[in-house]
Amino acid sequence: DIQMTQSPSAVSASIGDRVTITCRASQGINNWLAWYQQKPGKAPKLLIFGASTLQTGVPSRFSGSGSGTEFTLTISSLQPEDFATYYCQQGTSFPHTFGQGTKLEIK
Amino acid sequence: QVQLVESGGGLVKPGGSLRLSCAASGLIFSDSYMTWIRQPPGKGLEWISYISSTSTYTVYADSVKGRFTISRDNARNSVFLQMNSLRAEDTAVYYCATSAGYETSGFFDSWGQGTLVSVSS
Repeated sequence: DIQMTQSPSAVSASIGDRVTITCRASQGINNWLAWYQQKPGKAPKLLIFGASTLQTGVPSRFSGSGSGTEFTLTISSLQPEDFATYYCQQGTSFPHTFGQGTKLEIK
Repeated sequence: QVQLVESGGGLVKPGGSLRLSCAASGLIFSDSYMTWIRQPPGKGLEWISYISSTSTYTVYADSVKGRFTISRDNARNSVFLQMNSLRAEDTAVYYCATSAGYETSGFFDSWGQGTLVSVSS
């Protein structure tokens, strides 16, 4: 199975900050990388797929990059509604594993 | 608008069984790849099972292989998860998910609200 490792596990930041979350795959995943945002008590929401394609309706302050085994999610200017937990997920081979999550908290 | 609605969760004793259902609307269900994902309380997401559009192909995570069975009924626009030999570590919110806007099983743009399964004596 492909292991997905996110860093950091938690980050504190302020409104307006730029935040970057990293996701590393244990082997190459051909850019089959998705990012999700989850708020407490809610289902995850797709933000980015194909490593860098923004899902319809997601604000442009979110961006994704990377290839091969290392990927990043960047939020360019944090807004109050961005405080949540973020997960990466690979979709290149079964099982389609998730990272362990990164909790983004208000500083 | 795509809607996925899970049902069937509840409290069950270790070793017991439960059958989850997910009713889909707003998409061409017979063309859709369906996946079950779970989340233990306070923990991360775990991909657990997939079924192809025609039920030809199913895949399971090692953690549930041999105990859980995924199936679907395209006439009823529904996907199911039969869970047998349940363990305490199966306690989680169970989500069904799909990629309604894209022909892929590799990511999920549509999720249900989840149904809670609790395994405890």
